[in-house]
Amino acid sequence: DAKTTQPTSMDCAEGRAANLPCNHSTISGNEYVYWYRQIHSQGPQYIIHGLKNNETNEMASLIITEDRKSSTLILPHATLRDTAVYYCIVRVQYGNKLVFGAGTILRVKS
Amino acid sequence: GAVVSQHPSRVICKSGTSVKIECRSLDFQATTMFWYRQFPKKSLMLMATSNEGSKATYEQGVEKDKFLINHASLTLSTLTVTSAHPEDSSFYICSAGDNYGYTFGSGTRLTVV
Repeated sequence: DAKTTQPTSMDCAEGRAANLPCNHSTISGNEYVYWYRQIHSQGPQYIIHGLKNNETNEMASLIITEDRKSSTLILPHATLRDTAVYYCIVRVQYGNKLVFGAGTILRVKS
Repeated sequence: GAVVSQHPSRVICKSGTSVKIECRSLDFQATTMFWYRQFPKKSLMLMATSNEGSKATYEQGVEKDKFLINHASLTLSTLTVTSAHPEDSSFYICSAGDNYGYTFGSGTRLTVV
């Protein structure tokens, strides 16, 4: 699976949009971009995933560049409860193990 | 949505004893489950892939005789930490796949004293 690069940490004001970038320049054509987050001392939580089109669900939006070498996770109205470590993972869909990188620590501040 | 139940959430054991952690998929069948460990302020490290009805596949550097994995049914995988030592103290997390991706358990905090 392709490797990903994320900033170590980011701060965001409560109520504002949080934009978390991820670089995956070696992504293959059949690899999806997955986002998970982990709140302190809990198991990771699935957020969203996509192949090449932008995706949106009740939690977030995923914007994937046309060349698929990078993506951005958008939390439209961040709350204090969104403070967590966010992981961007690239892998073939289904059946493949998830390998976690260091992730981005997002701190939402009031 | 898919739910993965992991028990216990916390366990304290004496050095030299063994501890079993259970991971159950509650509303779906999982032919494959994964076990991770996580040290404080570190990312999740994949330990092994648990396959129903066959031997687990361990990642490089993970001792298979130390971390015994059993996946006897489509809804249950267990991780047994044998002859635990203080350096085995960690946060252990399981995950299982379904048609929507992977769901994670809430984790087990193991403390070996």
